[in-house]
Amino acid sequence: QVQLVQSGAEVKKPGASVKVSCQASGFTFNQYTMHWVRQAPGQSLEWMGWINPATGVTGSSQDFRGRVTFTRDTPARTHYMELRSLASEDTAVYYCAREYETATPKALDWWGQGTSVTVSS
Amino acid sequence: EIVLTQSPGTLSLSPGERATLSCRASQSISTTYLAWYQQKPGKAPRLLIYSTSSRATGVPDRFSGSGSGTDFSLTISRLEPEDFAVYYCQQYNTSPRTFGQGTKVEIK
Repeated sequence: QVQLVQSGAEVKKPGASVKVSCQASGFTFNQYTMHWVRQAPGQSLEWMGWINPATGVTGSSQDFRGRVTFTRDTPARTHYMELRSLASEDTAVYYCAREYETATPKALDWWGQGTSVTVSS
Repeated sequence: EIVLTQSPGTLSLSPGERATLSCRASQSISTTYLAWYQQKPGKAPRLLIYSTSSRATGVPDRFSGSGSGTDFSLTISRLEPEDFAVYYCQQYNTSPRTFGQGTKVEIK
């Protein structure tokens, strides 16, 4: 069955970086673009960006450009999101979510369980 | 950036009642690129509806979506106890792929 299993909770100090992983199973890895979405406490969902695992091409929201990097390890079937220069406003649950890769955009049909990242001095 | 405004913020209803949630976009969206997600406390969002009106796998037929242009809606025909949750609309027409602020459906 489809699974996206994310790494565990993180506590970071302001200015540090965090790297969250998302291990995929139960589907063809290269057929699904992976998106990253975050949710601050009590807030809505905020889309961060994506990576096409077949090509390594990425895209991100302007709000995170220059601060976020999406990578993947195909043999390990794992995606990574690294966010740098953390501030308290980056405290959130971070989700990976897949999109079936076709010529036209698709909705996010399967989500990881989320990774809590807390930024505090 | 396309801004999605959901209303109402909170909907207080009883089981068995009908719920209608609204999602208004700041500019026109193709019906192909509008989705609805359900989120329960402490859980990841779950895809309910894609392409405005298509139900995702396993979604009960009491959930339906409609709309076009800038106005979209999600209807739950008869609320079941497990339907009380927060619902988000999302457009995937353009980048950034924005979400609405959510509508909480709570038990009255």
